[in-house]
Amino acid sequence: GAVVSQHPSRVICKSGTSVKIECRSLDFQATTMFWYRQFPKQSLMLMATSNEGSKATYEQGVEKDKFLINHASLTLSTLTVTSAHPEDSSFYICSASFSRGGTYEQYFGPGTRLTVT
Amino acid sequence: AQSVSQHNHHVILSEAASLELGCNYSYGGTVNLFWYVQYPGQHLQLLLKYFSGDPLVKGIKGFEAEFIKSKFSFNLRKPSVQWSDTAEYFCAVNAKQAGTALIFGKGTTLSVSS
Repeated sequence: GAVVSQHPSRVICKSGTSVKIECRSLDFQATTMFWYRQFPKQSLMLMATSNEGSKATYEQGVEKDKFLINHASLTLSTLTVTSAHPEDSSFYICSASFSRGGTYEQYFGPGTRLTVT
Repeated sequence: AQSVSQHNHHVILSEAASLELGCNYSYGGTVNLFWYVQYPGQHLQLLLKYFSGDPLVKGIKGFEAEFIKSKFSFNLRKPSVQWSDTAEYFCAVNAKQAGTALIFGKGTTLSVSS
């Protein structure tokens, strides 16, 4: 159980276009979802935290107008990279959190590799 | 703010050697601690986690980690590595409350030669 999916797994887009990435919790309801990005050979950097039905909380330095997060339901969060540029090329990973036995576990999706040409 | 420090950037070992990867965290409250592995071209996998109780935690693939509260450390160990352990290893921490994200260390690249 506790599977998180992301779609698409890979996307190539042209500079200036927008790209939407979906994150779904398949067999549980996620109280909170998180978005991370990972540059090659580097660690995961938290971009934002989102709760269903409320605005996402962005980390310092992350442009909220560029990285739009919509948490439409307890099983779906979307990240839209608007007006993408080559420097936005990265690996985007979501995770979903829920309570189990009094603790909050996080489960990670497989990631989406975005390449902006 | 929380932070995680992994001391070893790149570790190179021969098969059957013992492994210890260091991880220290900085946070004023109680935390959950994790080690993740990322094999080349693959996504994150959870190796082990510590929430409470016995500070020596056993995970998958023969890995274990020990939480030493006084040292704010959560070092990862394996007595005998295999070539297939070649991967990137990430230590992560989050605060013990709902809705808190994992904060990751910079990662350690482990290369095991056969």
